Amino acid sequence: GAVVSQHPSWVICKSGTSVKIECRSLDFQATTMFWYRQFPKQSLMLMATSNEGSKATYEQGVEKDKFLINHASLTLSTLTVTSAHPEDSSFYICSAEGSNYGYTFGSGTRLTVV
Amino acid sequence: RKEVEQDPGPFNVPEGATVAFNCTYSNSASQSFFWYRQDCRKEPKLLMSVYSSGNEDGRFTAQLNRASQYISLLIRDSKLSDSATYLCVVNPVDTASKLTFGTGTRLQVTL
Repeated sequence: GAVVSQHPSWVICKSGTSVKIECRSLDFQATTMFWYRQFPKQSLMLMATSNEGSKATYEQGVEKDKFLINHASLTLSTLTVTSAHPEDSSFYICSAEGSNYGYTFGSGTRLTVV
Repeated sequence: RKEVEQDPGPFNVPEGATVAFNCTYSNSASQSFFWYRQDCRKEPKLLMSVYSSGNEDGRFTAQLNRASQYISLLIRDSKLSDSATYLCVVNPVDTASKLTFGTGTRLQVTL
């Protein structure tokens, strides 16, 4: 079955620093990857959609200069939270869509900014 | 109005009980519907797709009513391991491939 690996699982960082989260499709090529954010007791909210080799499409209200997305290959997308602040603390989840696999979610990254 | 609405619960039921969750969606043109399960601090996992004719997978039955824009999930003979948050998910047809998640309904099955 399709597997999406997401790292790190959790990270604690200081305010003002940047954090990079990786999302890899291990056994299929992901034409599209999605990045979601989930605050406690809330739904997953789509942040951006990325296609390999092109700029990500951000949802309304998501700052593209703060949440940098790079989708350099068909198996890897990265999300960098720049100049992180405590309000960025959340659960970030990626999902990948491949032609025969539908949607597959990564295991998520719990970010805590102190 | 939210695009996908669910009763947040929690629903506390004893083992063996039958429990039903409901979900409504606002975009009448939506084409694909799913139920996902999310355990605490974990990623969502697909439980089942929802088809117009209704579909069943073991103890789980999903139904779709397009006229009322309503989706349901029925769990029979609840197990302790069914305790989780159940997410109603819709794929709006005009935003191809983007899933819209409900806030989820929390289920707690007790002894």
